[in-house]
Amino acid sequence: AQKITQTQPGMFVQEKEAVTLDCTYDTSDPSYGLFWYKQPSSGEMIFLIYQGSYDQQNATEGRYSLNFQKARKSANLVISASQLGDSAMYFCAMSGISSGSARQLTFGSGTQLTVLP
Amino acid sequence: EPEVTQTPSHQVTQMGQEVILRCVPISNHLYFYWYRQILGQKVEFLVSFYNNEISEKSEIFDDQFSVERPDGSNFTLKIRSTKLEDSAMYFCASTLRGGDYGYTFGSGTRLTVV
Repeated sequence: AQKITQTQPGMFVQEKEAVTLDCTYDTSDPSYGLFWYKQPSSGEMIFLIYQGSYDQQNATEGRYSLNFQKARKSANLVISASQLGDSAMYFCAMSGISSGSARQLTFGSGTQLTVLP
Repeated sequence: EPEVTQTPSHQVTQMGQEVILRCVPISNHLYFYWYRQILGQKVEFLVSFYNNEISEKSEIFDDQFSVERPDGSNFTLKIRSTKLEDSAMYFCASTLRGGDYGYTFGSGTRLTVV
């Protein structure tokens, strides 16, 4: 079975500062994917970034980067230069072979990020 | 950018009534999913669908739930006899290869059972 742990229920960051949201995972799958989604108060799930377990380099997408430490089973999201619009709930998720052939996602409990002006 | 489209965005229904939630996945995607998020809780997997049949389903997906792909574009979730505890946000998602980059969610249907 797969498990995602997000230990920070809430985080605060000053506008223009960088922030790291923690995510650890547990899986016995040799191949898996790690995802981060943003959920604003309006409720939609917005894809931010993806990291494959065999990817050699950490993923980056604009201001988002994923600090992937495979040996430690962590996949932390780093948001640089925070903006007020970054205030939202952030979910870490993973997929893997043990999810089944369609590889559904297993989600963490989320981190509520608040960016302060 | 391609989108997963869900309708309606909000639905209020009486307990015991049937509801159908609709989704139009991204056109070239092959795997389709429904997830549920009860208010304030994590997102939970309900069911996956591939090659016109259910691929996996969770314990939540009991006999009151069914999915269908009635034509080449729509993907529906039917809840036969709604209960108060079915109140949640329901998300449809689709991917091309399954569990890979490009796992796209729709904007959700907020279902309220009264």
